[in-house]
Amino acid sequence: DTGVSQNPRHKITKRGQNVTFRCDPISEHNRLYWYRQTLGQGPEFLTYFQNEAQLEKSRLLSDRFSAERPKGSFSTLEIQRTEQGDSAMYLCASSATTGTVSPGYTFGSGTRLTVV
Amino acid sequence: DQQVKQNSPSLSVQEGRISILNCDYTNSMFDYFLWYKKYPAEGPTFLISISSIKDKNEDGRFTVFLNKSAKHLSLHIVPSQPGDSAVYFCAASRGGSNYKLTFGKGTLLTVNP
Repeated sequence: DTGVSQNPRHKITKRGQNVTFRCDPISEHNRLYWYRQTLGQGPEFLTYFQNEAQLEKSRLLSDRFSAERPKGSFSTLEIQRTEQGDSAMYLCASSATTGTVSPGYTFGSGTRLTVV
Repeated sequence: DQQVKQNSPSLSVQEGRISILNCDYTNSMFDYFLWYKKYPAEGPTFLISISSIKDKNEDGRFTVFLNKSAKHLSLHIVPSQPGDSAVYFCAASRGGSNYKLTFGKGTLLTVNP
């Protein structure tokens, strides 16, 4: 297990199309987070899961956004009817709340979405 | 409203000298603070953290100082190395490190050989 894996790394889509991103966390991590980063800004919290339960969603996560973590392992983030304002880097991270807890999340390399 | 502020978009220092990156926060409920380092095309990497019950935490060349009364923290890198050149993000949390983080906008550090 080499870290948090995100696919695809890059996605270009036309406005109005749906897109789905996948995140595979570190296997022993029970928490999984999604963040969004736009140019010149720090990452902004979108949502997080503990195992398969989605515990919190930011108001940034409009009705067009949905995230799932069906078996408490990988997660998907879907954006429906994409808009140009959705263009950003989407970051996934994971952490453990049991066992040897190290401070700080482990982030993936992100999926860069460009909506044209 | 920015609850975590990094007012210096960039900082340039000479190799071997000290780099000091600053961060201010407004939410007094934050009780855990972290610094992340980010290279282009990579996700942020955890660097060092500090709980609000402490005022200093040190890890090798990196030291974080927390001044709760001023709602201010700083990251010191001594000595600075060219490989330290990256964007540094300050982040804060309520309820520990395994909870949602509020990030600043980042400071681009350039260490010149």
